[in-house]
Amino acid sequence: GENVEQHPSTLSVQEGDSAVIKCTYSDSASNYFPWYKQELGKRPQLIIDIRSNVGEKKDQRIAVTLNKTAKHFSLHITETQPEDSAVYFCAARPNYGGSQGNLIFGKGTKLSVKP
Amino acid sequence: DSGVTQTPKHLITATGQRVTLRCSPRSGDLSVYWYQQSLDQGLQFLIQYYNGEERAKGNILERFSAQQFPDLHSELNLSSLELGDSALYFCASSATSTRGHGYTFGSGTRLTVV
Repeated sequence: GENVEQHPSTLSVQEGDSAVIKCTYSDSASNYFPWYKQELGKRPQLIIDIRSNVGEKKDQRIAVTLNKTAKHFSLHITETQPEDSAVYFCAARPNYGGSQGNLIFGKGTKLSVKP
Repeated sequence: DSGVTQTPKHLITATGQRVTLRCSPRSGDLSVYWYQQSLDQGLQFLIQYYNGEERAKGNILERFSAQQFPDLHSELNLSSLELGDSALYFCASSATSTRGHGYTFGSGTRLTVV
């Protein structure tokens, strides 16, 4: 089955710097890759996603890139702010489940943005 | 409010007991997914239901079971509870569009087994 590895597990940056979180997946048939942000004690919330037919997607300070050949995708946050501090999860959806398939999550990256 | 409702928010129970966690998906969503999140751990997929039928199974213990009812709400039953079952249990639902969407998570049920 699908396996998702996420690095680093913790990341500390200075406010205004960029942060990059990387994930790799094992199933080449996976076709959908969302990113979730989870603040302490709260539910994970979708912040950006990308499908396998797209190489890059951007939404204001957040961007995601996908390299299907290498089977890895990355989250880029520019001009980080203290409110970006949270745990970020990447996920992959294997193709066998279709659009209703379950997501396999990475173990998360705890991002700390120091003012 | 995400539209996914989980009850109760908190649950404290003793080892060996049985509990039921409830989830109501967003209006119109047919899929319900259950995840377990232990302290400092990621989201472990337990089970998925789609329109009342079991669709996929993850690392769900035999002591755990789930079902989805005709009104699409779902229940996760945890029995013979152990200390290690203490965790945050999330339910999520997804849209039925064939283009596919990410999940919308509920606020979770925090289970503490003492």
